Amino acid sequence: DVKVTQSSRYLVKRTGEKVFLECVQDMDHENMFWYRQDPGLGLRLIYFSYDVKMKEKGDIPEGYSVSREKKERFSLILESASTNQTSMYLCASSPGQDTGELFFGEGSRLTVL
Amino acid sequence: QKEVEQDPGPLSVPEGAIVSLNCTYSNSAFQYFMWYRQYSRKGPELLMYTYSSGNKEDGRFTAQVDKSSKYISLFIRDSQPSDSATYLCAMGRYSSASKIIFGSGTRLSIRP
Repeated sequence: DVKVTQSSRYLVKRTGEKVFLECVQDMDHENMFWYRQDPGLGLRLIYFSYDVKMKEKGDIPEGYSVSREKKERFSLILESASTNQTSMYLCASSPGQDTGELFFGEGSRLTVL
Repeated sequence: QKEVEQDPGPLSVPEGAIVSLNCTYSNSAFQYFMWYRQYSRKGPELLMYTYSSGNKEDGRFTAQVDKSSKYISLFIRDSQPSDSATYLCAMGRYSSASKIIFGSGTRLSIRP
């Protein structure tokens, strides 16, 4: 079974702090994604990556950056957390560009005070 | 107007009932359609995947796509309390995995 592991399930941070969200997948998937999920807004794509060291902006990249130094690991970075970044963050992976099948982690619920 | 519209619910039905969940969309370029199920405090998991108009059945679940009306449905027969979850429709185009659009989800509760 594909496993996507997000290192932190619940985080509480203060405004202005730097936040790292880590995601690791164990199925050698090419693609990795970061989404945020908010009530009434569904899932919105923040960043994605098709290959190591490659990243592309999604629909809402402002205030975020990412890092993919190894194929299995994709990190989301909030350089200076703000209260409007309080959300559920979901990492996903998929085996190729032509498939819409995403394998999600369990999510990281971030609260910024 | 959102590209994908989904009634957020919540929808509450008795055990054993047939459940119908629906989404409408506006972009005729979508080529494949999916339903994800998300249990509370968990990530979504793929439930059904289809790429053509018509019905696709998997056990108690049937996915229906009507491209002419831009309307997709998920039917759950003999619903069980374990089906209580949020159901997200999603759709996309081939070679554009980054362009999957999700509905906002319908929260479903099955009463024992």
